[in-house]
Amino acid sequence: AQTVTQSQPEMSVQEAETVTLSCTYDTSESDYYLFWYKQPPSRQMILVIRQEAYKQQNATENRFSVNFQKAAKSFSLKISDSQLGDAAMYFCAYRSLVGRDDKIIFGKGTRLHILP
Amino acid sequence: DAGVTQSPTHLIKTRGQQVTLRCSPKSGHDTVSWYQQALGQEPQFIFQYYEEEERQRGNFPDRFSGHQFPNYSSELNVNALLLGDSALYLCASSFGGSYQGYTFGSGTRLTVV
Repeated sequence: AQTVTQSQPEMSVQEAETVTLSCTYDTSESDYYLFWYKQPPSRQMILVIRQEAYKQQNATENRFSVNFQKAAKSFSLKISDSQLGDAAMYFCAYRSLVGRDDKIIFGKGTRLHILP
Repeated sequence: DAGVTQSPTHLIKTRGQQVTLRCSPKSGHDTVSWYQQALGQEPQFIFQYYEEEERQRGNFPDRFSGHQFPNYSSELNVNALLLGDSALYLCASSFGGSYQGYTFGSGTRLTVV
């Protein structure tokens, strides 16, 4: 079974600085998707960035980028120029591409605080 | 373009009662998944509906059941409520053939007393 591990329960970063959130995962599959989701106090889960495992190039979305190391099964999220609105719980997530296994498996999350 | 809509937003029920939560998927999406998120925890997969059938199920008891209607909307039913069923219930929709990330609703906060 696949697992997702986020080893940092909480992190803090000064506004305008850069922060990196760590995520490792375990799978025997070769093809899959990885995601970072943001959950602010409003509760809605918002997709931040997506990475296809077959793509070697790291995904980037504006101030958000990932460092995807497939062999190491590592998928970290870098947030540049942190803003107060980035404060939220961040979940790393895995989605299989095998057969009909279509569910998303979440890590336990990292709560990110932005210090003004 | 409407996103995923869930109702109600909050609900208080008594132990032993039954509850029905509702979800309307994003326009163009045909697959609905339900997740349970206990306070301070990550979401846990309950089940997924596609073409009005349960396609996949997580490790939840039979007290949790669902339904998908021809318009792709979905219901989650929980019978014989336990205190431990108190959680945020998230609905997520996707297009069946797409491997994009799901679009999530804002959830229903269920409190069992």
